[in-house]
Amino acid sequence: DQQVKQNSPSLSVQEGRISILNCDYTNSMFDYFLWYKKYPAEGPTFLISISSIKDKNEDGRFTVFLNKSAKHLSLHIVPSQPGDSAVYFCAVTPAGKLIFGQGTELSVKP
Amino acid sequence: KAGVTQTPRYLIKTRGQQVTLSCSPISGHRSVSWYQQTPGQGLQFLFEYFSETQRNKGNFPGRFSGRQFSNSRSEMNVSTLELGDSALYLCASSLDPAGAQDTQYFGPGTRLTVL
Repeated sequence: DQQVKQNSPSLSVQEGRISILNCDYTNSMFDYFLWYKKYPAEGPTFLISISSIKDKNEDGRFTVFLNKSAKHLSLHIVPSQPGDSAVYFCAVTPAGKLIFGQGTELSVKP
Repeated sequence: KAGVTQTPRYLIKTRGQQVTLSCSPISGHRSVSWYQQTPGQGLQFLFEYFSETQRNKGNFPGRFSGRQFSNSRSEMNVSTLELGDSALYLCASSLDPAGAQDTQYFGPGTRLTVL
């Protein structure tokens, strides 16, 4: 029973263009959402988060959008850089644990 | 400030054996959580310890156990290893209990291979 879904296992984008990673969740009670980035042979690193009282949070090239009615969040990376190539996980934090989506592998081509 | 450290980084065991993995959190962090990453199941929560007490447990069999020491270092143990236990085991630490919207910081993981 997947509470957090990332339906695109992979995404390929040209350097300089926008990358959009999507995430859907099932429980409308979730109130805090995070994105993590993971390189091979490393643990995930926190990227950006958003509380359910907001619909947008921006940090440099990274912006997360939250659509509560659709139970959907997205991560925008503008402009995309080759160093952004990694696996991106969205996550929620109910009851003291992180629940992750399956991840989307982003490849940014030079 | 040093990050989360996990030892060993790689481990090979055979079915039926047991294994102990270690995690040292960031200095000052009192919460330690463990996750299992496999290609099929993604990242799954195992358990969380805060101030030496298990606060939360995921849906894993009793063969998976853990503990936390007074210095916040944590160990997890898997007994009677099965082939399906082959995975990357990740430890994460945070200042406050997980779920308090405090960022969790992950270690590099321990790659366990069960033959």
